[in-house]
Amino acid sequence: GENVEQHPSTLSVQEGDSAVIKCTYSDSASNYFPWYKQELGKRPQLIIDIRSNVGEKKDQRIAVTLNKTAKHFSLHITETQPEDSAVYFCAASLDNDMRFGAGTRLTVKP
Amino acid sequence: EAGVAQSPRYKIIEKRQSVAFWCNPISGHATLYWYQQILGQGPKLLIQFQNNGVVDDSQLPKDRFSAERLKGVDSTLKIQPAKLEDSAVYLCASSSRNYGYTFGSGTRLTVV
Repeated sequence: GENVEQHPSTLSVQEGDSAVIKCTYSDSASNYFPWYKQELGKRPQLIIDIRSNVGEKKDQRIAVTLNKTAKHFSLHITETQPEDSAVYFCAASLDNDMRFGAGTRLTVKP
Repeated sequence: EAGVAQSPRYKIIEKRQSVAFWCNPISGHATLYWYQQILGQGPKLLIQFQNNGVVDDSQLPKDRFSAERLKGVDSTLKIQPAKLEDSAVYLCASSSRNYGYTFGSGTRLTVV
C-alpha cells in the first residue's frame, strides 16, 4: 500500500519568513495530494490540494509543488503569520484510498 | 452543506469496557472513513466504506474493533473490549469522489 513520509516533524520560523514542508510517497499510481491543517483540538481542514496532472498550484500565501518523477510534493507558506501555527499533514491518494504523513508542527514566532 | 457529524465528542471508559461511536456523513457522499489519530501522530485509516460495503479494513484490529454502515449512510465504530492504547481521537470523514475528505470533529476517547 501507499506510504507517505513527511519532513520535518517540527518547524519553527519567524513571522514573515517562509515555511516549507516536504513529503514523499511510494505508490507512483497515486494521483491526488491534499494538505490539511489541524489546529489543537480541532479537525483537519483541507487547505490546498494538487492532482497528478499539475506541477504547481497556488492560493494566496500557500503553494504546493509536485514532482511525479521523484514522487515528492511540498507545501510552501510565504509571509507566515502566527495564526499559521498548527500541525500540517500531507496525504497521497488513489481512488479514495488516502494515506497521511505523520505531520509537521509549525510554530510561527511573532 | 452540513458537515460530517460525529458523536459523542468525548468519552472516558475503563479498560475492558465497550464503546461505540457514531458518524453521519455529508449527504450524498458514498465513501466513508474511520481514522484513529493518536496524540502527535497523523490519522491512521481503520476502515473505508463505499456505500455499505467495506473497501479496506486491513488496519482495523478486528479482534476488538468492528464497524458497520447499514443502508450506506450512517456508520458506527465499536471497540470491545477497550485497551489503554486505544486512547485517541477517532475521526470520521466522507468524500464523494477522489476530491479530498471532509472530516468530522472527532470523538476523543480516553481509556483509563
